[in-house]
Amino acid sequence: EDQVTQSPEALRLQEGESSSLNCSYTVSGLRGLFWYRQDPGKGPEFLFTLYSAGEEKEKERLKATLTKKESFLHITAPKPEDSATYLCAVPVGNQFYFGTGTSLTVIP
Amino acid sequence: DAGITQSPRHKVTETGTPVTLRCHQTENHRYMYWYRQDPGHGLRLIHYSYGVKDTDKGEVSDGYSVSRSKTEDFLLTLESATSSQTSVYFCAISEPSGLAGEETQYFGPGTRLLVL
Repeated sequence: EDQVTQSPEALRLQEGESSSLNCSYTVSGLRGLFWYRQDPGKGPEFLFTLYSAGEEKEKERLKATLTKKESFLHITAPKPEDSATYLCAVPVGNQFYFGTGTSLTVIP
Repeated sequence: DAGITQSPRHKVTETGTPVTLRCHQTENHRYMYWYRQDPGHGLRLIHYSYGVKDTDKGEVSDGYSVSRSKTEDFLLTLESATSSQTSVYFCAISEPSGLAGEETQYFGPGTRLLVL
């Protein structure tokens, strides 16, 4: 069964056009939801961890939020340098389960 | 980058040959992980280690073995490489990050493996 599902698979935005990425999860007893950014040819880079429903974290143009069933990564007024694949993950036991990611392209 | 290096960064090999990938870390982390990343599947855990000589299987361990004889090195071996093992392989470590000791994973730069 899927533990983590991300949508959309791909997103193209004009520079400055805000939007949101979704990560839904089915694990019980959530011990954290993790967001990563991955640039082509590189390893995932840690962005945020959210631990409880209602929690929000921000970094530059990114804001991550968490509910009991899903997390959103809001991108405000994106720039071309925000283009990347964004991954979310949840720990289950000693393992992390990752979604397949959202590929974001920001067009100048 | 949490002091993680992977070698080689790129490798081309032939079906049936053994291949070993190396992950090296410099910060004495206890937990280390090997993932593979494939289009449509995302990152999937192969094996992980929770200390020297202590390892366990992940979601996609068939055809892979690991060894950890020193804290800083975690080796992934493809016993007899197959074309289905063509992938990008990432090593990761984890660090405690939350008040309750939750761990955050940090990744190395990856190894691109092509099995012909």
